[in-house]
Amino acid sequence: QSVLTQPPSVSGAPGQRVTISCTGSSSNIGAGYDVHWYQQLPGTAPKLFMYGNSNRPSGVPDRFSGSKSGTSASLAITGLQAEDEADYYCQSYDSSLSGFWVFGGGTKLTVL
Amino acid sequence: QVQLVESGGGLVKPGGSLRLSCAASGFTFSDYYMSWIRQAPGKGLEWVSYISSGANTIYYGDSVKGRFTISRDNAKNSLYLQMNSLRAEDTAVYYCARVARGGSGSYYFDSWGQGTLVTVSS
Repeated sequence: QSVLTQPPSVSGAPGQRVTISCTGSSSNIGAGYDVHWYQQLPGTAPKLFMYGNSNRPSGVPDRFSGSKSGTSASLAITGLQAEDEADYYCQSYDSSLSGFWVFGGGTKLTVL
Repeated sequence: QVQLVESGGGLVKPGGSLRLSCAASGFTFSDYYMSWIRQAPGKGLEWVSYISSGANTIYYGDSVKGRFTISRDNAKNSLYLQMNSLRAEDTAVYYCARVARGGSGSYYFDSWGQGTLVTVSS
């Protein structure tokens, strides 16, 4: 059971818009800690995809955007492309006793 | 460019030990905090351990506390993870990752190695 909750899967047709949610609690996202996102293509290591809630590293297309509100965060993808098909993980910091850095369970994005 | 290369994974029996290494290049290793993160087969990511740039601050996840030891050698640009009393549930790909600090003070993992597979089985 992950500290941050993500939907196991989302899907969309090419060109569509999809969002991936990441829900936390008052000890992590709700406490004001930033949310970061990672993309993992099949058979590869994770890669930083969004940091500080809404900042894109160099090379990440502006079709991707991030936001945070209350105890949740979202990764939005517009103009969906086949190459976007991957697993996406959110990450934050948790201030509870067994905390430190926590991840969501991951969301498999399928481009139909 | 930043490169992190893990090694040392393999098959080990329950109760056994293994030492993972991560060779860093392309950046000033001694300036950065580092972490180990693992991923069990078909599962999500789990943060394992953190070490500050000078090794004076170390944290562990609850699942490995007391069994794993993180260390680093800044002269050799290397990060290590000594894993003792291994259990079947420690089976995973272990990634070393560079820790970056955001503007708000939050930490995230901006570069990852390719990972090394640790299998704990009799």
